[in-house]
Amino acid sequence: EAQVTQNPRYLITVTGKKLTVTCSQNMNHEYMSWYRQDPGLGLRQIYYSMNVEVTDKGDVPEGYKVSRKEKRNFPLILESPSPNQTSLYFCASTRTGFSHEQYFGPGTRLTVT
Amino acid sequence: GQNIDQPTEMTATEGAIVQINCTYQTSGFNGLFWYQQHAGEAPTFLSYNVLDGLEEKGRFSSFLSRSKGYSYLLLKELQMKDSASYLCAVPLVAGNTPLVFGKGTRLSVIA
Repeated sequence: EAQVTQNPRYLITVTGKKLTVTCSQNMNHEYMSWYRQDPGLGLRQIYYSMNVEVTDKGDVPEGYKVSRKEKRNFPLILESPSPNQTSLYFCASTRTGFSHEQYFGPGTRLTVT
Repeated sequence: GQNIDQPTEMTATEGAIVQINCTYQTSGFNGLFWYQQHAGEAPTFLSYNVLDGLEEKGRFSSFLSRSKGYSYLLLKELQMKDSASYLCAVPLVAGNTPLVFGKGTRLSVIA
């Protein structure tokens, strides 16, 4: 089954404790992306990757890191989480090119206390 | 850059028709996507328009006017399960990526 998976689905952590949210897709997509979604602000892009070893900042990259060592994986790293990073996070992937839709993972609900 | 506007909330009656509007300003146009998102779930693809006109897909249709920077999503024969947020999105650059989303329109379908 074609899918994007994220882990963990739910996480409660404390300020300053490094964490990684994993994202994996099995569709051989070139493009992968991370979004955060907050009430009233919609989906905002954190980082994206056009292919292996190619990553770029989105609209809200501060406090996040990413890596793309393999085509299927695109982990999101929070080196020192803060309460303002409490949010719902989505990973997405797509083939590059016109008209191709993005496929989203199920989401990770992160709470930083 | 991109600027996308959608109404924040709408309410409609089961069985009725509702139109959700989206206006956008882009430096270059490369198509427009509509996604549906139920509360707490991931967005799912509904439609893609790159040429002017109406694209029909079952109960859902999407319209685009590139000269006016305007699109709408038309939902017919509304069902309770259509209660969700509807997101309009445009690519930032040529192609389909990266994608910039509007804040979404939350539709409530009432009996």
